[in-house]
Amino acid sequence: DIQMTQSPSSLSASVGDRVTITCRASQSISNYLNWYQQKPGKAPKLLIYAASNLQGGVPSRFSGSGSGTDFTLTISSLQPEDFATYYCQQSHSTPLTFGQGTKVEIK
Amino acid sequence: QVQLVQSGAEVKKPGSSVKVSCKASGGTFSSYTFTWVRQAPGQGLEWVGGIIPIFGTTSYAQRFQGRVTITADESTSTAYLELSSLRSDDTAVYYCARSYQLLFTRAWFDPWGQGTLVTVSS
Repeated sequence: DIQMTQSPSSLSASVGDRVTITCRASQSISNYLNWYQQKPGKAPKLLIYAASNLQGGVPSRFSGSGSGTDFTLTISSLQPEDFATYYCQQSHSTPLTFGQGTKVEIK
Repeated sequence: QVQLVQSGAEVKKPGSSVKVSCKASGGTFSSYTFTWVRQAPGQGLEWVGGIIPIFGTTSYAQRFQGRVTITADESTSTAYLELSSLRSDDTAVYYCARSYQLLFTRAWFDPWGQGTLVTVSS
């Protein structure tokens, strides 16, 4: 199975901050990497697919980059509605696997 | 716009089975792949398996093999997850999600259902 490791596990940031979350795969997954946002009590929401493609309707302050084993999700200017948990997910091979999540909290 | 609406919360005894439904509205049901993901309380996301209705093919995570069955009824645009021999650690919210790709891989999930809480307790 491909292991996905996110860092950090949690972070505290202020509105307006630039936030970066990293995701590392245990083997190369090309660009088969997706990012989701989840708020408490809600289903995950797709933000970025295929490493760097912004899902329709998602604000442009979200961006993704990377290929191979190392990937990054960046929020250019954190907004109040962005406080949530973020998950990466590889779709290179089954079983599909997720990172453990990164909780973004208010500083 | 496609929406996925799941069945309601369930409380089950250890050793029993549960069947959760996911009804799709909008779009052509057989043009998509449906995936099931679960989330134990306070934990992360775990892929359970999926189905490609147009091909009738399924894929399951190894840890659920023999206990899980995913099916689809095109006449009602509904996907199902059945999990048997339930244990307390199967207590989780179970989500269905859709992808455009007629593959289990190279895919991304959008939209997701609202989730169904399955509680396993004696």
